[in-house]
Amino acid sequence: AQTVTQSQPEMSVQEAETVTLSCTYDTSESDYYLFWYKQPPSRQMILVIRQEAYKQQNATENRFSVNFQKAAKSFSLKISDSQLGDAAMYFCAYNRGAAGNKLTFGGGTRVLVKP
Amino acid sequence: DVKVTQSSRYLVKRTGEKVFLECVQDMDHENMFWYRQDPGLGLRLIYFSYDVKMKEKGDIPEGYSVSREKKERFSLILESASTNQTSMYLCASSLGMREQYFGPGTRLTVT
Repeated sequence: AQTVTQSQPEMSVQEAETVTLSCTYDTSESDYYLFWYKQPPSRQMILVIRQEAYKQQNATENRFSVNFQKAAKSFSLKISDSQLGDAAMYFCAYNRGAAGNKLTFGGGTRVLVKP
Repeated sequence: DVKVTQSSRYLVKRTGEKVFLECVQDMDHENMFWYRQDPGLGLRLIYFSYDVKMKEKGDIPEGYSVSREKKERFSLILESASTNQTSMYLCASSLGMREQYFGPGTRLTVT
């Protein structure tokens, strides 16, 4: 079974600085998808960024970028120029690309942003 | 914008009660999901459905059942609620292999 591990329960960052969240996963598949989702306090979960395993280029969405290391099964999220609105729980998720689009989630990392 | 709504934000039920949680999406997505979210455990998949009247067990289906009679609606049923089912329940939907869209969640307390 696939597992997703987020080893940092909580991370703190100063406003305008950079923070990196780690995620490792275990799979025997070669084609799959990886995601980072954000859940602000008392608000709905939203997608931050998505990476297809067959793509070597790391995905980027504005201030959010990933470092995808397929051989190491590592998928870290970098938040640059952190803003107060980035404070949230961040979840790493894996999808093996089969019918039904099932996601396996990590335990989450809480990001605190200090003004 | 895709909208996923859940019938209640907060719910308090007694042990042994039958509980219905409803989820509705407005974007004609074929896939729908029910997760429970517990601190430190992330989100765990209870059941999902990839078509009307079709359902598959997720990772923790015990104590739960689901119903999908219409494409836009996916119900989670707790046949006999127990205290260990106190949790946040999240519904999601997706189109094909695209991102999942989540509802606001239902915080269920079983006393």
